Amino acid sequence: AQKITQTQPGMFVQEKEAVTLDCTYDTSDPSYGLFWYKQPSSGEMIFLIYQGSYDQQNATEGRYSLNFQKARKSANLVISASQLGDSAMYFCAMRERGGSTLGRLYFGRGTQLTVWP
Amino acid sequence: DVKVTQSSRYLVKRTGEKVFLECVQDMDHENMFWYRQDPGLGLRLIYFSYDVKMKEKGDIPEGYSVSREKKERFSLILESASTNQTSMYLCASSSPRQGLYEQYFGPGTRLTVT
Repeated sequence: AQKITQTQPGMFVQEKEAVTLDCTYDTSDPSYGLFWYKQPSSGEMIFLIYQGSYDQQNATEGRYSLNFQKARKSANLVISASQLGDSAMYFCAMRERGGSTLGRLYFGRGTQLTVWP
Repeated sequence: DVKVTQSSRYLVKRTGEKVFLECVQDMDHENMFWYRQDPGLGLRLIYFSYDVKMKEKGDIPEGYSVSREKKERFSLILESASTNQTSMYLCASSSPRQGLYEQYFGPGTRLTVT
């Protein structure tokens, strides 16, 4: 079974609008972390935001916020006031704390976001 | 500044060749990872390493091996390259001393096997 599911292969948003990229996860580990990465067409992976499973508040980093709904096992990325430079592939990822796989991340298949003027 | 470098951005090899992809990080990170990225499949973990000379299989290790003789360097080896190994290869590193365990990625190597 997939540990991370991103159901939107592609999303389109107009500049200055907000957009939500969906991510659901599957784990039985009570302690885990969720990450979002951005990959522009140049190929580098850029870390955007992190949410820990015990964090009480949703994470925010500038225009990025993470809508964390633990009971629904979802960790959606919200980008406010979209910019043309936000056009990229976005990956959701999860790290589980338990077991011998400390440090490895499970990635979703990604969502290609296109921002149009 | 945090840095992960990969030996080549683009590489073209022939079927059956032995291929070495090199990754170096300058952050004194314990953990290093090799992924391959294919359209529609996201990032899939090939191998990872928690320490020098240690390695663990990821989700798709078949056809690959790795070497970690020094902490800063993690090599991915394709013993006999095949066309289905044409892909983007990404190296990453992280450390348990950093609370988030976020992974830092190299720029990627786009490998074409003909």
